[in-house]
Amino acid sequence: QSALTQPASVSGSPGQSITISCTGTSSDIGTYNYVSWYQQHPGKAPKLMIYDVSRRPSGLSNRFSGSKSGNRASLTISGLQADDEADYYCSSYTSRNTWMFGGGTKLTVL
Amino acid sequence: QVQLVESGGGLVKPGGSLRLSCAASGFTFSDYYMSWIRQAPGKGLEWVSYISDSSSNTNYADSVKGRFIISRDNVKNSLYLHMNSLRAEDTAIYYCARRRYWFDPWGQGTLVTVSS
Repeated sequence: QSALTQPASVSGSPGQSITISCTGTSSDIGTYNYVSWYQQHPGKAPKLMIYDVSRRPSGLSNRFSGSKSGNRASLTISGLQADDEADYYCSSYTSRNTWMFGGGTKLTVL
Repeated sequence: QVQLVESGGGLVKPGGSLRLSCAASGFTFSDYYMSWIRQAPGKGLEWVSYISDSSSNTNYADSVKGRFIISRDNVKNSLYLHMNSLRAEDTAIYYCARRRYWFDPWGQGTLVTVSS
């Protein structure tokens, strides 16, 4: 099983918007609306940011949004802040009743 | 407050065994599916296994199938991962997480190092 495909890195200036893509197949992202996104700061556990493609956990900033088209999902962060600098991982449920993660994207806030 | 606390990690020789534990609190443990997810040093996340609320259903990543066993004790509010025939590539931080079609929350992780 190959991981979902994410760009290794993205960057943006404070206040700008960035989008992180996550490409899968028809056996995962393309079939199921069970895409989730996680933020991980160095040395910390991952934190859920988006679930079911576009839903935000209670209390999470609406600067974070998710979407999906075909086999590709996206996480958009608007109004970039310094604390958004972290690694971001996508995940999808698969037809084998397993989960796959993307390789991770390092977000740098310039 | 929902909390997950892993323990049991450490240094083990290739071919050895280890049992990880995850203590849950702040929610009705027996109502939820649970998962283990790992992260090799400097690498990305890898889903390892899940177990249903009643233990009737489990599944594993191909990389650990036949070597790892997930279990739980709903009386003790605890999740376990029994790891056998450990390999160097199993070296990772192991996280437990409450599972729906997403994972939330996550514990702080426990480090397993497989080395001679």
